[in-house]
Amino acid sequence: DIVMTQSPDSLAVSLGERATINCKSSQSVLYSSNNKNYLAWYQQKPRQPPKLLIYWASTRESGVPDRFSGSGSGTDFTLTISSLQAEDVAVYYCQQYYGTPYTFGQGTKLEIK
Amino acid sequence: QVQLQESGPGLVKPSETLSVTCAVSGGSFRSNYWSWIRQPPGKGLEWIGYIYYRGSTSSNPSLKSRITISVDTSKNQFSLQLSSVTAADTAVYYCARHHDSISFFFDYWGQGTLVTVSS
Repeated sequence: DIVMTQSPDSLAVSLGERATINCKSSQSVLYSSNNKNYLAWYQQKPRQPPKLLIYWASTRESGVPDRFSGSGSGTDFTLTISSLQAEDVAVYYCQQYYGTPYTFGQGTKLEIK
Repeated sequence: QVQLQESGPGLVKPSETLSVTCAVSGGSFRSNYWSWIRQPPGKGLEWIGYIYYRGSTSSNPSLKSRITISVDTSKNQFSLQLSSVTAADTAVYYCARHHDSISFFFDYWGQGTLVTVSS
């Protein structure tokens, strides 16, 4: 199985400041034949299902604010929120879809400082 | 707009079989793969398995011996059965859609159904 490890486990950031969440995979999720990273990011608010934010490591889902961005390749990835808003308080998960079993990071809880 | 709605028993006794169903509306049921994902209370997400409308499946090896995933194309529904449950199987069970046949991230999710395993 590909193990996904996120850091930090929790993060407190002031409103308007940048938040950065990291995700590391135990093996590369870059598929060489198409040069795509099989990595997605989700946001989960309390008592709600996860919501897709980013796929292919850096493609923003339709309707997701442009303060959310994804970067990285191979085994190391980052989700950045450029200017934290109150509604961004949530748990964030990365997920690899390079191969089965599809696996998620343990989650990063983002709070307001 | 694609919508997914889980239904389940709420409470299952230890050693029995958990059964949950996902009803899909909107979109094209036959164009996508459909998955089950679970989340124990206060914990992270675990992929359980997926099914295609033709009935082909893939399951997490950690659960494979206990899982049956089936589909009913006449009702645009798919179902999960998990046998020999224990308290460790207590979780919110989500159904979700894979984006397409090469992009296996999850673009639509149901609201989830909490299944508690307890005597």
